[in-house]
Amino acid sequence: NAGVTQTPKFQVLKTGQSMTLQCAQDMNHEYMSWYRQDPGMGLRLIHYSVGAGITDQGEVPNGYNVSRSTTEDFPLRLLSAAPSQTSVYFCASSYSNFAVGDEQYFGPGTRLTVT
Amino acid sequence: GNSVTQMEGPVTLSEEAFLTINCTYTATGYPSLFWYVQYPGEGLQLLLKATKADDKGSNKGFEATYRKETTSFHLEKGSVQVSDSAVYFCALSEYGNNRLAFGKGNQVVVIP
Repeated sequence: NAGVTQTPKFQVLKTGQSMTLQCAQDMNHEYMSWYRQDPGMGLRLIHYSVGAGITDQGEVPNGYNVSRSTTEDFPLRLLSAAPSQTSVYFCASSYSNFAVGDEQYFGPGTRLTVT
Repeated sequence: GNSVTQMEGPVTLSEEAFLTINCTYTATGYPSLFWYVQYPGEGLQLLLKATKADDKGSNKGFEATYRKETTSFHLEKGSVQVSDSAVYFCALSEYGNNRLAFGKGNQVVVIP
């Protein structure tokens, strides 16, 4: 199993550009999520999905869109990049939304810089 | 809402020293509690967890006990190694919902 994979590893965007961060998992996990990590802030939840076709907002959803057309993939779209979106983005997955104490598996991250 | 508070600032200590990182939480129900570790340049990985009061999670010499009365889940290790240098995050999830709330993390640096 490859686990959770993310592409690209690094990306530089200009303000106003759009892009999609890719996330895929091969563990047949129902639950997938996106976090951003900023210095001194910990990780904050952007969007999550409890299964194909079902998504919901997390703590900091503004400026981001998601969709979940398959169990495996959960792309994160930046519609019009802003410098405030400079961050490290992590995708995570877990078996189920309802299992108590379910471990979440994290991808290696995408480091995004918006100039 | 749910929240997790970790002690402020990085932790620097010598090899074989005792490590404690404090974590307290606020939650409406009966959360599951986690410690995740992030090694340099990598994603997070689960270090240990506890799902009910008085449970002790343990892994790789690290331990943490779920204390409902003090709403705490402090991480401890008796003798750290240089390879334990990493960022440690305390987190919680509510029963029936996998959304994780994270603390801000603590950078741990172990000096030989």
